[in-house]
Amino acid sequence: SQQGEEDPQALSIQEGENATMNCSYKTSINNLQWYRQNSGRGLVHLILIRSNEREKHSGRLRVTLDTSKKSSSLLITASRAADTASYFCATVQTGANNLFFGTGTRLTVIP
Amino acid sequence: NAGVMQNPRHLVRRRGQEARLRCSPMKGHSHVYWYRQLPEEGLKFMVYLQKENIIDESGMPKERFSAEFPKEGPSILRIQQVVRGDSAAYFCASSGRGQDEQFFGPGTRLTVL
Repeated sequence: SQQGEEDPQALSIQEGENATMNCSYKTSINNLQWYRQNSGRGLVHLILIRSNEREKHSGRLRVTLDTSKKSSSLLITASRAADTASYFCATVQTGANNLFFGTGTRLTVIP
Repeated sequence: NAGVMQNPRHLVRRRGQEARLRCSPMKGHSHVYWYRQLPEEGLKFMVYLQKENIIDESGMPKERFSAEFPKEGPSILRIQQVVRGDSAAYFCASSGRGQDEQFFGPGTRLTVL
């Protein structure tokens, strides 16, 4: 079954605001990854956080991981219109290699 | 360094025909994964291969679908006797090692008429 569930399903914000997306999962994991997908396009890898890490930064992105709550969050600061896309979390379960994707959050940044 | 390549980008087939989707992983990557995405949904894992071996095909339908990753050449996802429900975007990803970050190709959009 699908591992991740994202919340919210859709998010609309003004340019310059911060966007926070949450992801919950069900089983123990080796790592959790966030991806971005523009409409009708392929996926772009954003960031990977391992199960023994709690927080990671990459440019305007900040990812947290709470393994006790089986949840992660992606924060995009100072959003831009170009950030408009769908964002997916995906987990690699312990002992597995493939990704289990969540249902995604559709982010719209209004100029 | 070219990324993951997939071809064709778009494929149209009539019911009952065969579809062949190709994926060339990133240079130096020997792990290939195939995922399927239905409209407005997340990606679902189908199969995981290393050179000449299928490691995990738990997400692939038992009938009509097959995958290979030969010693030379791209990985192939083959769908025989396609049906309308096979219409989807099929993405290939590769990694240098298992459990590492996966890099995705642009996908093949299959339309079954």
